[in-house]
Amino acid sequence: AQKVTQAQTEISVVEKEDVTLDCVYETRDTTYYLFWYKQPPSGELVFLIRRNSFDEQNEISGRYSWNFQKSTSSFNFTITASQVVDSAVYFCALSEAETSYDKVIFGPGTSLSVIP
Amino acid sequence: GAVVSQHPSRVICKSGTSVKIECRSLDFQATTMFWYRQFPKQSLMLMATSNEGSKATYEQGVEKDKFLINHASLTLSTLTVTSAHPEDSSFYICSGQDSYEQYFGPGTRLTVT
Repeated sequence: AQKVTQAQTEISVVEKEDVTLDCVYETRDTTYYLFWYKQPPSGELVFLIRRNSFDEQNEISGRYSWNFQKSTSSFNFTITASQVVDSAVYFCALSEAETSYDKVIFGPGTSLSVIP
Repeated sequence: GAVVSQHPSRVICKSGTSVKIECRSLDFQATTMFWYRQFPKQSLMLMATSNEGSKATYEQGVEKDKFLINHASLTLSTLTVTSAHPEDSSFYICSGQDSYEQYFGPGTRLTVT
């Protein structure tokens, strides 16, 4: 079973629009971490956020915000006022404590294109 | 944050040859390092977990005799693709773990002709 689902394969938005990238995860652990990474065309992964399972507070960092809802096992990512530089593939990921804190399981990714 | 480097960043090799990829943690000691493979337009798939001084643990479906991993020191892990074939062409990414944080390298693009 896929542990991390990103239902949106590709999204296109016009610059300055807001866009939300969905992430649904599956785990039986009570302790786990969720991540978002950005992968621009260069290929290098850029760490965006890590959230542990006990912290359901939403987070805002500049134009980025994250909504973590344990009730729906979702960890969605919103970019407000999108820019062309936001064009990239975004991965949601999960790390489970009881299996191993170490392994990071990546979702399939969402390719975001921001059109000028 | 901590920095992980990979060398080379790109490599082209002929079918049947072996190629070694290095992964170094530059400013921290990584007792655990991970190797991922990413095919075009796909996600990162964990290949193996290596702990310094011990044998690597491979994920199901990954051939340990083909992908040799050596983690000889706390700052260096190497992945050797033996007898490479065109289907091994991929983007290989390593990461090093410092406490509970994982830091990713920039990746190595392998092309087997």
